Amino acid sequence: GENVEQHPSTLSVQEGDSAVIKCTYSDSASNYFPWYKQELGKRPQLIIDIRSNVGEKKDQRIAVTLNKTAKHFSLHITETQPEDSAVYFCAASTTGYSTLTFGKGTMLLVSP
Amino acid sequence: DVKVTQSSRYLVKRTGEKVFLECVQDMDHENMFWYRQDPGLGLRLIYFSYDVKMKEKGDIPEGYSVSREKKERFSLILESASTNQTSMYLCASSFGRATEAFFGQGTRLTVV
Repeated sequence: GENVEQHPSTLSVQEGDSAVIKCTYSDSASNYFPWYKQELGKRPQLIIDIRSNVGEKKDQRIAVTLNKTAKHFSLHITETQPEDSAVYFCAASTTGYSTLTFGKGTMLLVSP
Repeated sequence: DVKVTQSSRYLVKRTGEKVFLECVQDMDHENMFWYRQDPGLGLRLIYFSYDVKMKEKGDIPEGYSVSREKKERFSLILESASTNQTSMYLCASSFGRATEAFFGQGTRLTVV
């Protein structure tokens, strides 16, 4: 089955800095890669996703890049703000399956 | 907005009890999932269902069973609760394959 590795497990940045979280996946058939943000005490919510026919996708301060050859994808957050502090999860899925396989999560702390 | 609602936010049960966790979604999603979330381990799939009365094992099904008698409702059953099942349980639903999963607010179960 699919295996998703996520790094780093914790990330501390100063407000205004950029943050990058990286994930690798094992199944070359995976073609859908969402990122979820989970604030303390709340449910995970989708913040951005990318499919394998696209190399990069942006939404304001958030971007995701995908390298299919290397089987890795990354989340980039620019101009970080304290409200970006949360746990971020990457995930992967294949068209033939309904399930998402998640990474172990990255706790991002943005200090004012 | 999609709503995925879990019946309890917090539960405390005794070892050996039979425990039912209920989840309801209101968007006619065909897929429903139960995940377990533990610190440092991310989200691990227990069971999922892609149709009424259909169920598939996830990565950690031991000690759990599920029931889906109606499309909108998916139940997780702990046949005989044990202390190592103390955890946060998250229900999710999605439409189709390789699509966004919408999460419930979670049930924090403590087995004493």
